[in-house]
Amino acid sequence: AQKVTQAQTEISVVEKEDVTLDCVYETRDTTYYLFWYKQPPSGELVFLIRRNSFDEQNEISGRYSWNFQKSTSSFNFTITASQVVDSAVYFCALSEARNTDKLIFGTGTRLQVFP
Amino acid sequence: DVKVTQSSRYLVKRTGEKVFLECVQDMDHENMFWYRQDPGLGLRLIYFSYDVKMKEKGDIPEGYSVSREKKERFSLILESASTNQTSMYLCASRSTGHGPYFGPGTRLTVT
Repeated sequence: AQKVTQAQTEISVVEKEDVTLDCVYETRDTTYYLFWYKQPPSGELVFLIRRNSFDEQNEISGRYSWNFQKSTSSFNFTITASQVVDSAVYFCALSEARNTDKLIFGTGTRLQVFP
Repeated sequence: DVKVTQSSRYLVKRTGEKVFLECVQDMDHENMFWYRQDPGLGLRLIYFSYDVKMKEKGDIPEGYSVSREKKERFSLILESASTNQTSMYLCASRSTGHGPYFGPGTRLTVT
């Protein structure tokens, strides 16, 4: 069965701190896709990244970086030098190649960045 | 930029009313989706469509129907709204290798 676990319900940091949001997934498929979304207070889900299971290279986009480790079934997200505007709920999600239209979401991690 | 728009940000309807939630995307995406988001339950897939006039049930289709007459538009219909359909409704679209990208959401209250 597919499952996405975001064990951290809420994280609070002070601006300029680095913060890592954890995501652990379960799937029986060898081909799958992993996603991260940001949901600010306005409610819109903002797409951040999509990664397929064959690409284990870490990715960096500005202050954001993602660490994909198949050995531990994890796809963690790090924000470097956090800012108040990073305050949001962050969701990790999984879809399997045999049913790419069905995303399984984690329960989300609420990040609060204080000035 | 990918743009997914939804007809209303906030909607208040009465029990028993027929409700239409509209979603439009401007990226020529084949696949479109409707999710609802509830505290403690996360995001759940209601319906999705992979082509015009095609639809597939998601995890919680009961009480809902959908319509996709044009590629860019995907409508969610509540035939007879009930209070347990009070929720945040999120539309999304994707194409092969891209997305899905979500719209801003419609917060529906059924009284």
